[in-house]
Amino acid sequence: NAGVTQTPKFRILKIGQSMTLQCTQDMNHNYMYWYRQDPGMGLKLIYYSVGAGITDKGEVPNGYNVSRSTTEDFPLRLELAAPSQTSVYFCASSLPGRHTEAFFGQGTRLTVV
Amino acid sequence: AQTVTQSQPEMSVQEAETVTLSCTYDTSESDYYLFWYKQPPSRQMILVIRQEAYKQQNATENRFSVNFQKAAKSFSLKISDSQLGDAAMYFCAYRSARAGNQFYFGTGTSLTVIP
Repeated sequence: NAGVTQTPKFRILKIGQSMTLQCTQDMNHNYMYWYRQDPGMGLKLIYYSVGAGITDKGEVPNGYNVSRSTTEDFPLRLELAAPSQTSVYFCASSLPGRHTEAFFGQGTRLTVV
Repeated sequence: AQTVTQSQPEMSVQEAETVTLSCTYDTSESDYYLFWYKQPPSRQMILVIRQEAYKQQNATENRFSVNFQKAAKSFSLKISDSQLGDAAMYFCAYRSARAGNQFYFGTGTSLTVIP
């Protein structure tokens, strides 16, 4: 079982470049999330989606965009990369309901130089 | 918004000993779930244990148990018979019952296990 798959695992971007972080899950989960993890800051929610065609902002959405055209895929787009976006990015998915856990991808370490 | 606080950035424990990691949270909701996740150096987030707010009985999973104090909004993780493989970053998380069922994470506690 693949679970949640993120690509790439590592990436270096130059300031002003754009890129898309890919996330796909094969568990038929309705809910998907994007988090960023910075040292000493825990995980902060960027965007989330409760189903195909539905997305909403989290705590730190500025500088990012998402789309959810299928249940499986939830790509995160960075436009005009800035050094402040240097971070580790995690995609997660879950079933609806407060009792179910989130399943995480292995993360993408992004460095903006 | 809900907040989750882990006041211990780093902890250490001798192998085979017991250690407790602290977590407090703030919410106005009455029904929610709490989770502990482990993040080893591989970066993979692994579920350790979960607790339903309506259950008074503390959850246990093998060597891992929680002390859930709902009135105090406290949710600590106890690791018994610590093993070298327990060394990791541990995150406390709160899952809201509201739309989106968002997860809110603490800042993490880095656990070192001393041989």
